[in-house]
Amino acid sequence: GAVVSQHPSWVICKSGTSVKIECRSLDFQATTMFWYRQFPKQSLMLMATSNEGSKATHEQGVEKDKFLINHASLTLSTLTVTSAHPEDSSFYICSASLWGGTDTQYFGPGTRLTVL
Amino acid sequence: KQEVTQIPAALSVPEGENLVLNCSFTDSAIYNLQWFRQDPGKGLTSLLLIQSSQREQTSGRLNASLDKSSGRSTLYIAASQPGDSATYLCAVIKGGTASKLTFGTGTRLQVTL
Repeated sequence: GAVVSQHPSWVICKSGTSVKIECRSLDFQATTMFWYRQFPKQSLMLMATSNEGSKATHEQGVEKDKFLINHASLTLSTLTVTSAHPEDSSFYICSASLWGGTDTQYFGPGTRLTVL
Repeated sequence: KQEVTQIPAALSVPEGENLVLNCSFTDSAIYNLQWFRQDPGKGLTSLLLIQSSQREQTSGRLNASLDKSSGRSTLYIAASQPGDSATYLCAVIKGGTASKLTFGTGTRLQVTL
């Protein structure tokens, strides 16, 4: 149980375009989902926390208008990278938890974004 | 601000050796600590979770210890195998509903034949 999927697993896009990444909890309802970014050979950095039905909370230094997050249902959250640039190329990983806070987070397999 | 550091950054050992990975954190007021494994280009696999009131957790050949007062945790891997090759991440979480995981810098482990 507690499986989280991400789609797509990898995506290549042109600079200036927008890319949407989906995160789904397959066998449980996730009140809270988290989005992380990981640059090569670096650790995961939390970008934002989203609670179903409310606005996401972005971490300091993460532009909320550039990284749009929607958590419209208890099983789906989306991250849209708007006007992507090469420096946005990274590995994006989501996680989901039943009720957030200190509850266990279940991680997705990640999405590799390459912006040309 | 919580900072989590892992030493060493990279480690190469021959198959069969026992090894220890280290994790230190600056704020000892944590709720729990987790160890994860990440294979190249993949997501995270949770290995062990230690609650702040616990001293250690064991799963198969893995043993994780926690010394909250000194801000340290170790992951002990017994009888290492080539399949153990991966990056190992520790992460801590503070209590509270607005809590979040803070990840360490990771240790890249290679177990050679």
